[in-house]
Amino acid sequence: GDSVTQMEGPVTLSEEAFLTINCTYTATGYPSLFWYVQYPGEGLQLLLKATKADDKGSNKGFEATYRKETTSFHLEKGSVQVSDSAVYFCALSDNGSSNTGKLIFGQGTTLQVKP
Amino acid sequence: NAGVTQTPKFRVLKTGQSMTLLCAQDMNHEYMYWYRQDPGMGLRLIHYSVGEGTTAKGEVPDGYNVSRLKKQNFLLGLESAAPSQTSVYFCASSPGTYTIYFGEGSWLTVV
Repeated sequence: GDSVTQMEGPVTLSEEAFLTINCTYTATGYPSLFWYVQYPGEGLQLLLKATKADDKGSNKGFEATYRKETTSFHLEKGSVQVSDSAVYFCALSDNGSSNTGKLIFGQGTTLQVKP
Repeated sequence: NAGVTQTPKFRVLKTGQSMTLLCAQDMNHEYMYWYRQDPGMGLRLIHYSVGEGTTAKGEVPDGYNVSRLKKQNFLLGLESAAPSQTSVYFCASSPGTYTIYFGEGSWLTVV
């Protein structure tokens, strides 16, 4: 079945450092790909998305490019802030005929940014 | 500005007790979902609904039941709670496009 694998955390960075969180996927169809962010004690919020190969999703300085050839959707940010400390989830949605909008999540990566 | 609302937010149950988690959305979305979140395992889909009166099993449905009698509500029931059901439960809804909106979570402890 479809699956998502994220890099192990936690990731600890200093403020203004460059961030990469790796995400790879396995899917039989043509999924849409997402990054969600979860701040402490809160639900998940959509950070960015890409719906087809070579699309780049971006939001709040974060970017991710849908790479079909490497089945990857790595999250990047050029300069992280303390306020970016959160858990980041990579996810995919099967765009097959059922189109139920179900998401399959990776295990999440905790990011801690120190001043 | 409610979005997706879950009740209760916190609950402690004894093994064998039953309870219902209520999810309400005010965005007229067709699709609704219940996920559970466990450390190191991300979110896993329990049950979902593609419209009023419909329900379907997700990845981890055992021990749970659901109902969608009204379009805006999606109830998750535990008939006989077990310690393995200690988790954080998230409800979500979607209009059927690529964006899913999550509630703030319900923390359930079964002792």
